[in-house]
Amino acid sequence: KAGVTQTPRYLIKTRGQQVTLSCSPISGHRSVSWYQQTPGQGLQFLFEYFSETQRNKGNFPGRFSGRQFSNSRSEMNVSTLELGDSALYLCASSPVGTGWVVGPFFGPGTRLTVL
Amino acid sequence: TQLLEQSPQFLSIQEGENLTVYCNSSSVFSSLQWYRQEPGEGPVLLVTVVTGGEVKKLKRLTFQFGDARKDSSLHITAAQTGDTGLYLCAGTYDITGTASKLTFGTGTRLQVTL
Repeated sequence: KAGVTQTPRYLIKTRGQQVTLSCSPISGHRSVSWYQQTPGQGLQFLFEYFSETQRNKGNFPGRFSGRQFSNSRSEMNVSTLELGDSALYLCASSPVGTGWVVGPFFGPGTRLTVL
Repeated sequence: TQLLEQSPQFLSIQEGENLTVYCNSSSVFSSLQWYRQEPGEGPVLLVTVVTGGEVKKLKRLTFQFGDARKDSSLHITAAQTGDTGLYLCAGTYDITGTASKLTFGTGTRLQVTL
């Protein structure tokens, strides 16, 4: 099976702009979650979607949002970018609901730089 | 708020040595994962453990889940330079055990030299 894919891999934006990141989960996985990784804070959970519904949400401001489509692909959006949003954004998919307790499995990430 | 402590933070050893990395929590995990991450890449899943006392082996890597499901360890036998990387433990406290919301440890940066 193909792994989790994320696009784009690298992105440079300026403060105040908005950005949309895309994630395609492993085939058959219906849960997609997003994480932010920074040197100072490590890996932090943003939110999780399952069957197009947000099931869990981390402690991030409302500028961070996401959605999931019927084919399980997911997007996350960050509006009004701040310098502190510079990070590696990771998407992960899980075989939730299949009875298989393993994972989640991460994609390669999108490196976002805010200037 | 669940906290997940990982130790040591840094480890620099020579090829052939053994090492152990620890992961501890004040709360009971429903499942626990170990990942290895290379710079600029996403974490790669090494193992998932769910049963207290469980031991899993992956070649030279041995993973142990504490009986009370509050701690875990990763032991590497005869380390190789290819083991270099950031090792992360991550736990889920979700009682449904869906493993979809992870709390990560701070990581152990391992450097293996010749």
